[in-house]
Amino acid sequence: DSGVTQTPKHLITATGQRVTLRCSPRSGDLSVYWYQQSLDQGLQFLIQYYNGEERAKGNILERFSAQQFPDLHSELNLSSLELGDSALYFCASSVVGLHNSPLHFGNGTRLTVT
Amino acid sequence: QQQVKQSPQSLIVQKGGISIINCAYENTAFDYFPWYQQFPGKGPALLIAIRPDVSEKKEGRFTISFNKSAKQFSLHIMDSQPGDSATYFCAASGGNQFYFGTGTSLTVIP
Repeated sequence: DSGVTQTPKHLITATGQRVTLRCSPRSGDLSVYWYQQSLDQGLQFLIQYYNGEERAKGNILERFSAQQFPDLHSELNLSSLELGDSALYFCASSVVGLHNSPLHFGNGTRLTVT
Repeated sequence: QQQVKQSPQSLIVQKGGISIINCAYENTAFDYFPWYQQFPGKGPALLIAIRPDVSEKKEGRFTISFNKSAKQFSLHIMDSQPGDSATYFCAASGGNQFYFGTGTSLTVIP
């Protein structure tokens, strides 16, 4: 068990809808990363937060947004959903958020858009 | 642009054999190279990692070999076991972001 908790485990929704994915990092970890994993795309970095502030942004669509709250949990909001957004979404946390801190992943949220 | 290139995409090995997965990178600013193991329905889990100041790191049956001049690193799994069947991802980091390879699906046949 990595100590990173993601909810819900599964989410099925229709195109055009909006969903929120939640992540609680490991105790003591200040940094949260969001990744999207599709069958043919591997792990794609979306966004990183450190202690409530956005630290780095990757290939995140404008329809997607995230935030990290004062208690350090994070939420990823996906709106105007399209079929192509169906994927596994992983949250990872690290102690400091610097490159020498390993990432610890949650078990992901599987999003299916119908 | 793929920052880290991983091969092969899939690998089938007999029990007791050696599994070898290769990765290559371009950015010389990368200075941390972890490998992750992912089982179905689970998130990737850190397996072993190396920094470029050493050429090899071994933990149990898992060894990372690192060639700084060639900008390549590889994972060797000795005495491969059916329980090692999983997807393996290499990664590289030199700042805030981790760049992952596309993954290798390893199947160890009993």
